[in-house]
Order: sequence, then structure tokens, then C-alpha cells
Amino acid sequence: DAMVIQNPRYQVTQFGKPVTLSCSQTLNHNVMYWYQQKSSQAPKLLFHYYDKDFNNEADTPDNFQSRRPNTSFCFLDIRSPGLGDAAMYLCATSTPDGGVDEKLFFGSGTQLSVL
Amino acid sequence: GEDVEQSLFLSVREGDSSVINCTYTDSSSTYLYWYKQEPGAGLQLLTYIFSNMDMKQDQRLTVLLNKKDKHLSLRIADTQTGDSAIYFCAESTGNTPLVFGKGTRLSVIA
Repeated sequence: DAMVIQNPRYQVTQFGKPVTLSCSQTLNHNVMYWYQQKSSQAPKLLFHYYDKDFNNEADTPDNFQSRRPNTSFCFLDIRSPGLGDAAMYLCATSTPDGGVDEKLFFGSGTQLSVL
Repeated sequence: GEDVEQSLFLSVREGDSSVINCTYTDSSSTYLYWYKQEPGAGLQLLTYIFSNMDMKQDQRLTVLLNKKDKHLSLRIADTQTGDSAIYFCAESTGNTPLVFGKGTRLSVIA
């Protein structure tokens, strides 16, 4: 089945130790997103790629970076994780038709803990 | 900026109807969505409605849109325990990424 796959499901890192979260998709969608979701909060968009074009949200900290080496894969790099970065990180894809339809397909998320 | 508001909790008995409400501020919203998130999982698109529609029905789900009041609701008929989840309302203008509400946690009591 075509899907969005996130690895790992759970990730534990130490304060200040760089960590990379992975996302892959078999949907061949041209847009990939990374969201941060904290408990009882709305998912917060960090950035998204439209094909190779990177779009950073204005309030995304510099500590968060992303790479998209090809259509199928997208990575979230947290350079120096702080305690406040502990959250669920959700990857999503979409294939906007004329920029109107924003149906998102989500992975199961990676729950990041920072010790 | 755009804002989407939802009540945080709803509790219903199994077999009853659930109504989850959402208000939004962006009058130029083109599509409005309902996503479902089960514990420890990602969000799953349940249904969506285009802004020129008043109602959309899909099996047990009915979406009502009052564009004048910027109010969206999701009705789940014959609610089952498997419907227990967090339901997110989201809106899009088509030119910007989705804006989500904080989610309504639906608890279904057997």
C-alpha cells in the first residue's frame, strides 16, 4: 500500500546531541511537510518542500533543519535538542492540484524524548 | 493570522450521535477538513468540504458548514468505541499550508 513511513517510531536523545528523524513516501507526492505536535496542541508546521523548493516557517527555530535528497525521502535534523523540543514529529505529504487541494497524508509520527 | 478554535473535550455514550464544533477566522478559506488522530498515531483525513457547500454526508459522518458564521461541525452518527480519538479541524486558503485547531478529544462511553 502506498503510504508515508516514519522512522524510528520512538527516539530518545540527550540534551544537545544532534538527532535526525526520517520520513519516506511511496505516494510520489511532490510536497512533504514536517510538523511538531506537543501534547494537547495543534500540529505546528515547521517547514515544507514543494519539490526541491524549501519553505521555512518564520517562527521555526534555526535549530531545526531539513533535507530532501529525492522525491521519496525527507529528513528532519535537530542540531542541538533542548528539553522543549520533546514532542511528536509528524511527516506529511500532499499533491496540490492547482494549489487548492491541501489534503495531507500523514505518517505515524516519531515521538522524540530529550533527556 | 488565521485561527481555528475547537472545544477540547467531548464525551458521548455508545450509540448516540457526536457533534464536534469548530470556528475559524479566515473568510477566504477554500477547503475545510476534519482529521482523526488515534493514540500514538498520525493524523488521518476523515472528510473535507469545499467552501461553496453547506453540507456533506459520508456514511456516518455529516459535515455542516455555516460560512456566514465561519462555523464547521462534524456529526458522527451511532458513535462507536472505535471512534474515540482526537478530531482536528483544519482550514486552507489553497495558497498557504493548513491551519489546524488544537483538537477535540472524543471519549465514547460503552
